[in-house]
Amino acid sequence: NAGVMQNPRHLVRRRGQEARLRCSPMKGHSHVYWYRQLPEEGLKFMVYLQKENIIDESGMPKERFSAEFPKEGPSILRIQQVVRGDSAAYFCASSPAGRYEQYFGPGTRLTVT
Amino acid sequence: AQSVTQLDSQVPVFEEAPVELRCNYSSSVSVYLFWYVQYPNQGLQLLLKYLSGSTLVKGINGFEAEFNKSQTSFHLRKPSVHISDTAEYFCAVTTSQAGTALIFGKGTTLSVSS
Repeated sequence: NAGVMQNPRHLVRRRGQEARLRCSPMKGHSHVYWYRQLPEEGLKFMVYLQKENIIDESGMPKERFSAEFPKEGPSILRIQQVVRGDSAAYFCASSPAGRYEQYFGPGTRLTVT
Repeated sequence: AQSVTQLDSQVPVFEEAPVELRCNYSSSVSVYLFWYVQYPNQGLQLLLKYLSGSTLVKGINGFEAEFNKSQTSFHLRKPSVHISDTAEYFCAVTTSQAGTALIFGKGTTLSVSS
């Protein structure tokens, strides 16, 4: 059973460009979470999605960030007009319905130059 | 709201020594607790979890943790560490409603030397 998959693993963007991060949950998992890890900080929750629904986006910055989990295909975290402060590791996690533990992908390390 | 405090940012130990990584939490509702390990440039791997039942929880790689409700703690222990245990360890909490976000501590870097 493949784990949570994220791509790309590394992404370099210039200021002002768009970044698209993809996450495929584990087979049978219908819940997806995105977290951001900044240097010297722990992981911070961003958004929680189920298929075609955003359940909790209380951790998402109000501007430039959006997320989706379509009926078909991976979950996408989109960052428009990136700034240097967006440089971080972005982790996706998934869980089956009704379960509490979350399983993490390897992360996408975004560098904004 | 919940919060997690990992009391030590760095813990250096020698190989084969015992180790304890401390974690305290605060919450006004029932919580579920987790420890994750992160090796350099990798994702987080679930070490162990406390959901209910026995307060002593055993996980992978010889780690165990004890849930202490009165002290609101969930310390992680290993009786004898290996060089390969060198990594960052995160304590996390979530509420009893499935599907809610994990709240993480800032992490403890365990450095094992020979």
